Amino acid sequence: RKEVEQDPGPFNVPEGATVAFNCTYSNSASQSFFWYRQDCRKEPKLLMSVYSSGNEDGRFTAQLNRASQYISLLIRDSKLSDSATYLCVVNPLGSSNTGKLIFGQGTTLQVKP
Amino acid sequence: DTEVTQTPKHLVMGMTNKKSLKCEQHMGHRAMYWYKQKAKKPPELMFVYSYEKLSINESVPSRFSPECPNSSLLNLHLHALQPEDSALYLCASSQGQSSGANVLTFGAGSRLTVL
Repeated sequence: RKEVEQDPGPFNVPEGATVAFNCTYSNSASQSFFWYRQDCRKEPKLLMSVYSSGNEDGRFTAQLNRASQYISLLIRDSKLSDSATYLCVVNPLGSSNTGKLIFGQGTTLQVKP
Repeated sequence: DTEVTQTPKHLVMGMTNKKSLKCEQHMGHRAMYWYKQKAKKPPELMFVYSYEKLSINESVPSRFSPECPNSSLLNLHLHALQPEDSALYLCASSQGQSSGANVLTFGAGSRLTVL
């Protein structure tokens, strides 16, 4: 089993749709969770950190389910500009962090007009 | 504009060449990273420097040689590379390595082609 797993997609959705991505992680001691966005041929950029209580930033909502060991990203009212690859990133070692974050394979989103 | 600056943006080199990739950040971050990314794959960690000391080497071949001259600069020296080393090389920095301080800020990357 991979340490961090994502459905690679692609997810093809129309503008205005709501889309959700899940990411599962294998190490129950993991404490830090992030969603990064990467546009084609660009660098990854932090979209959101994911907190236990869940967090929202405009159209984006991130949730953490520790019992089932997954995090989710919900995008409401999709825009064409949301088309990108969304990377799930996990710190697998909890407090004894070595800086070795684990990246999922990424989920590709294509928003169509 | 990215707060982590990488040069050059593009580099083409032969297998016998020696070249260097450079990375600079002025955010006061104390951890700096080199990642390698192939098309349609996630970034793969190569090296981590913490407080200017190498803390992680992910068993990277010796033809890649990192250097951290000071807390703001990170170099990656390249020598005798292979065509399969062609990739996007990403530099990143974070406040530290500890949980809560390890949010990464990436540079725009150096796209390397080895002929």
